[in-house]
Amino acid sequence: EALLVESGGGSVPPGGSLRLSCVGSGFTFSKYEINWVRQAPGKGLEWVSYISTGGSTIYHADSVKGRFTISRDDAKNAVFLQMNSLRAEDRALYYCARRGDGDYGHMDVWGKGTSVTVSS
Amino acid sequence: QSVLTQPPSASGTPGQRVTISCSGSSSNIENNYVYWYQQLPGSAPKLLIHRSNQRPSGVPDRFSGSKSGTSASLAISGLRSEDEADYYCAAWDDSLSSVLFGGGTKLTVL
Repeated sequence: EALLVESGGGSVPPGGSLRLSCVGSGFTFSKYEINWVRQAPGKGLEWVSYISTGGSTIYHADSVKGRFTISRDDAKNAVFLQMNSLRAEDRALYYCARRGDGDYGHMDVWGKGTSVTVSS
Repeated sequence: QSVLTQPPSASGTPGQRVTISCSGSSSNIENNYVYWYQQLPGSAPKLLIHRSNQRPSGVPDRFSGSKSGTSASLAISGLRSEDEADYYCAAWDDSLSSVLFGGGTKLTVL
């Protein structure tokens, strides 16, 4: 069974940094593209970032561009989201999701999420 | 405000058929596939429909998707209490180079 597990969430003050991790198992991790999607408390889903196989193509939502960076280490079956200059509005549950064999909107495996709180 | 527009709520009684709409534009829905995700209370989202009208293995055929022009729809027939959840449409946007999600529709089974 394909699984994704997020970690690294926590509470930081505004302007702080966090590094989220997403570790995959049960599938050949290096062959899959990965997304980060977040959900603020009581709100809807918001796509955050995407990384291709090999890391050659990266996309970020405008709301995080210049502050968040996505990367991957296939030797560790992991994708990371480095989050800098955090704002109150970044508070959310952050999911990683595997891209399926459709186009970019296809996310066929999701983790359970890791929670990020930004508060002084 | 989401670029993909969904009604905030929908409802139906057991056994009924309900539809949820998702409206976009030529840069997203019209030229790309639409995906539907189901999020049960307290759970992660789950892929319900891919490539606009395809069901992943294990998803009941009570769920169906369609797309026409800049709009898409999710239909649920034979409504059951366990279908009570939030439903999100999603599509790639060529102009924004981003995945867009609709604002979500909360389905209530009366």
